[in-house]
Amino acid sequence: KAGVTQTPRYLIKTRGQQVTLSCSPISGHRSVSWYQQTPGQGLQFLFEYFSETQRNKGNFPGRFSGRQFSNSRSEMNVSTLELGDSALYLCASSLRTGLNTEAFFGQGTRLTVV
Amino acid sequence: AQTVTQSQPEMSVQEAETVTLSCTYDTSESDYYLFWYKQPPSRQMILVIRQEAYKQQNATENRFSVNFQKAAKSFSLKISDSQLGDAAMYFCASRNTGNQFYFGTGTSLTVIP
Repeated sequence: KAGVTQTPRYLIKTRGQQVTLSCSPISGHRSVSWYQQTPGQGLQFLFEYFSETQRNKGNFPGRFSGRQFSNSRSEMNVSTLELGDSALYLCASSLRTGLNTEAFFGQGTRLTVV
Repeated sequence: AQTVTQSQPEMSVQEAETVTLSCTYDTSESDYYLFWYKQPPSRQMILVIRQEAYKQQNATENRFSVNFQKAAKSFSLKISDSQLGDAAMYFCASRNTGNQFYFGTGTSLTVIP
């Protein structure tokens, strides 16, 4: 079956713009989590959605937001982009929420802010 | 909050040899899981092995095994018979009832032919 699909794979934006990233989970999976990966901060949790509800949120400013649709696809939005938002954004999909549920990661979206 | 520490930024191993990657963690949770993920240049995080904290028996998956020392909060990964395809960045991670992963900073593994 198809894996986790993240689009686009690469993105270049200018400071001050906004961006929307998309994640399509594995069919049947209802939980989607987002992570930011940078060389300086490593992998940091952004938020988790389950059945269209945000269950948990990491320590990021309000410029970072997300949502989940009824088909479990998720989007994350970053407004007023800053240079420091340049990162690899990874999405993880799980059948359900819970620490013993296996998570499958996508290949990420590489965002560059210039 | 939980923290995960990987003290080896880079490691190398000869093909067919064995290598051990170190990881320590800190958590106040009683229920948690520990994981090793591999991230090759393709960037996709791939699950290597996972360990349930309440299980004393160390997890194994083919050439991969862990040494889980709960009291010491240590969770090392042993790769036996290393292959060229094992070259990647390896991340140790913990996960609690909040469902989020806490990742270490990673260890870059080079396999020398």
